[in-house]
Amino acid sequence: GENVEQHPSTLSVQEGDSAVIKCTYSDSASNYFPWYKQELGKRPQLIIDIRSNVGEKKDQRIAVTLNKTAKHFSLHITETQPEDSAVYFCARGKTGANNLFFGTGTRLTVIP
Amino acid sequence: EPEVTQTPSHQVTQMGQEVILRCVPISNHLYFYWYRQILGQKVEFLVSFYNNEISEKSEIFDDQFSVERPDGSNFTLKIRSTKLEDSAMYFCASGRLGATYEQYFGPGTRLTVT
Repeated sequence: GENVEQHPSTLSVQEGDSAVIKCTYSDSASNYFPWYKQELGKRPQLIIDIRSNVGEKKDQRIAVTLNKTAKHFSLHITETQPEDSAVYFCARGKTGANNLFFGTGTRLTVIP
Repeated sequence: EPEVTQTPSHQVTQMGQEVILRCVPISNHLYFYWYRQILGQKVEFLVSFYNNEISEKSEIFDDQFSVERPDGSNFTLKIRSTKLEDSAMYFCASGRLGATYEQYFGPGTRLTVT
């Protein structure tokens, strides 16, 4: 189906710890998986994405892993900082379709 | 770094009125989108637009909605007769040819229908 399940809905971590957010999907044709960060009252910002031909992608403190067999992908933030506090949305897309289907979001709070 | 811009930032309208939300996509982008986000909920796809026509639309995008690219820079969303349940944040997004999946969002227009 269209839905993307995202867990947890809220996550609190101590500054410096790691945070992991997981998403699952059911449409096996999905081949593009972006992550967006949305600060309060602001636009969703694309922070990292992965395509189905790779299993992992890293950009400094942020990494995304993809397990196509199990149909899940995860966002990993290491050495968290207070400015990482935001709502994070996963999404999925596929070839031939222009739209993205978003997860329900995870509110991450990094405690100084 | 270029960004998608949207106007107005906040629109208040009465039920039954028509509203037009405006967007200026990033200049070399050719794919355009509208999404909405009801307060506290996830982002929902409304419509995508490429080569001067709608390429996809969701169930939300019914006959009350329309999109237009009236000139080389603007991309608009019109709601003909607003309902209370249309109250939401409306985001415009755009993407480049050759990287159609990457979508960059504007700051949004908060629509309040009273």
